[in-house]
Order: sequence, then structure tokens, then C-alpha cells
Amino acid sequence: DARVTQTPRHKVTEMGQEVTMRCQPILGHNTVFWYRQTMMQGLELLAYFRNRAPLDDSGMPKDRFSAEMPDATLATLKIQPSEPRDSAVYFCASGPKLGLAGTDTQYFGPGTRLTVL
Amino acid sequence: AQSVAQPEDQVNVAEGNPLTVKCTYSVSGNPYLFWYVQYPNRGLQFLLKYITGDNLVKGSYGFEAEFNKSQTSFHLKKPSALVSDSALYFCAVSPRYSGAGSYQLTFGKGTKLSVIP
Repeated sequence: DARVTQTPRHKVTEMGQEVTMRCQPILGHNTVFWYRQTMMQGLELLAYFRNRAPLDDSGMPKDRFSAEMPDATLATLKIQPSEPRDSAVYFCASGPKLGLAGTDTQYFGPGTRLTVL
Repeated sequence: AQSVAQPEDQVNVAEGNPLTVKCTYSVSGNPYLFWYVQYPNRGLQFLLKYITGDNLVKGSYGFEAEFNKSQTSFHLKKPSALVSDSALYFCAVSPRYSGAGSYQLTFGKGTKLSVIP
């Protein structure tokens, strides 16, 4: 049963520290998404990769957030420096590009619950 | 800009009764529409999607949704609710793009479904 994995599942850190979240997409999927979920804002798309290339990161605060895919099996999301307002659940999702853009089903990981004190 | 509205934060239904979770959307042109479900402390799981063709889409776990272009709606339905259906349900929309390029899947705020035994 192929799944998207994310590490760590929970992270508590202090304001100003660097946070790195990792995602392993489903083998063979070539699209990767990073989302942030909060009670106030709901689910927000932060960044989107296809074939490891960033296609859209307009939802991501550029001054402190960065997203990369060093290889096809690993996607990372970094926050430096972290702030209390970054506290949220961060989800990674992957998808196979089977058809037209926008039709892909996304498969979500379990999320990383980040708390910045 | 595209948007999704889920007008009900919470829906309560008795076990065995039919359920409806409402969704309306706004997008330029014709949409791709999705429903995802989130169980506590889990990532989102795909339920069903409308791409083209029959307006009634059948998905996982006995759920179905009807695309209504004139009302710009995509309500999720199930004939007989189960207690195990209790979860958070998200509607999402993506615009149709021609050719390659990035796209953005926009999620609604979510509707909490509680099925009462």
C-alpha cells in the first residue's frame, strides 16, 4: 500500500529556530505539493513541484520559507527563522501526472504538526 | 481568482439518513471539482472528482456528487449515513488550463460531518 510519508510528525521549537520538514512522495509520482492547514485559514497551497522543478510557490512567504526537491524521493520545506504564526499542520501531497493539468488526484501524507513557541 | 464556499461549518445527521454536504464554486471557465475527506490526525483522502461527462460522479465509500453548472454547485451526497462517515469534508476546485503549466487547487474551509448513532 503506497503512501506519502512525512517526518517529523510533530515538532515543537522556539521562535527563531530553523525547521526542516521532509516528505517522501509515492514512488513514481512526479508532482509534489506542500500545504499548510490552520483553523483560521483552512488549507493553503504553499508550493508545487513537477518533475522536481518548482512550478508555483506563490503561496509561500519567500523571506523565510524555502521548498526543494533534491531528488525524486525527497521533498523538503524549510522555515528559517520560524515564528509563532507559522504554527500549523503542514501536509505534503503527491500525484501522478496522468492527464490534463488540474485533473490529478492528490495523495496526502499524515502531516507535520508544527508548534513554534 | 477561483474560490470555493462550503456554507455549513457543521452538518449533523442521524445514522441511516441521507446526507448532503454543500459546495459552491467560482472559477473562470469550466472547472475540475474534487471532494476530499479528513479523519482526525490524518491527511486528506480523495473521495471523487468531476472532470467531464456525466454530471453525477460516484466515488469511494458510497459517496456521490452532482455537478450543477447553472448553480455552480458540487454537493456531496450519500443515501445512508454511517457513524464511520464522521469526518471533515473538503471541496476543491481547479480551473481548466490548456497546455502545460502550473495550476492551483483551491480548497474550501471544510465541513465537519457528525453522524449520530
